[in-house]
Amino acid sequence: AQTVTQSQPEMSVQEAETVTLSCTYDTSENNYYLFWYKQPPSRQMILVIRQEAYKQQNATENRFSVNFQKAAKSFSLKISDSQLGDTAMYFCAFMKVGGGADGLTFGKGTHLIIQP
Amino acid sequence: DVKVTQSSRYLVKRTGEKVFLECVQDMDHENMFWYRQDPGLGLRLIYFSYDVKMKEKGDIPEGYSVSREKKERFSLILESASTNQTSMYLCASSTTGGAGTDTQYFGPGTRLTVL
Repeated sequence: AQTVTQSQPEMSVQEAETVTLSCTYDTSENNYYLFWYKQPPSRQMILVIRQEAYKQQNATENRFSVNFQKAAKSFSLKISDSQLGDTAMYFCAFMKVGGGADGLTFGKGTHLIIQP
Repeated sequence: DVKVTQSSRYLVKRTGEKVFLECVQDMDHENMFWYRQDPGLGLRLIYFSYDVKMKEKGDIPEGYSVSREKKERFSLILESASTNQTSMYLCASSTTGGAGTDTQYFGPGTRLTVL
């Protein structure tokens, strides 16, 4: 079984700052995906970024990037030039390749607050 | 864009009632999922389905059942609702082929309160 740990229940930064959210996971699988999802106060869960474990290059999506350290089983999310709209719960999630019909394993989330 | 819809945003039911939560996706995805979300616990998988009429138990299936008669629709059923089933319920779908393989797309959620 996999576990995903997010050690920061809540974080608060000023607008325009850079913030990094931490995620570690434990698995015996070698091929898997990692995801960051964002859940704003409106409650719709939105995909932020996805990383395939076999790729050494870190995924990026505009202001969002990850630092994927496979050996350390670490998958942090960096948000650059943070905006008020980035205020949300952020969830780190794991899924093994070929487990597409299985569910995601989620961390408990980090509540990120962007202060004006 | 993938669109996953859920029948209700908010629902209030009485203990013992039979409750149906409906989810529809419009992307011809093979896989559909039901999660419940509780503060401090994150999201936990209740049931998933990888094809019509196929279902598998997730981590917390007790007290729930599901139905998938059509590919686009996945229903979560609470046979006899109890107060400990008060929660946010999220539906998701994914495909196992093509672009975005295995990425799950979520609906807006249903906040269920059982009195």
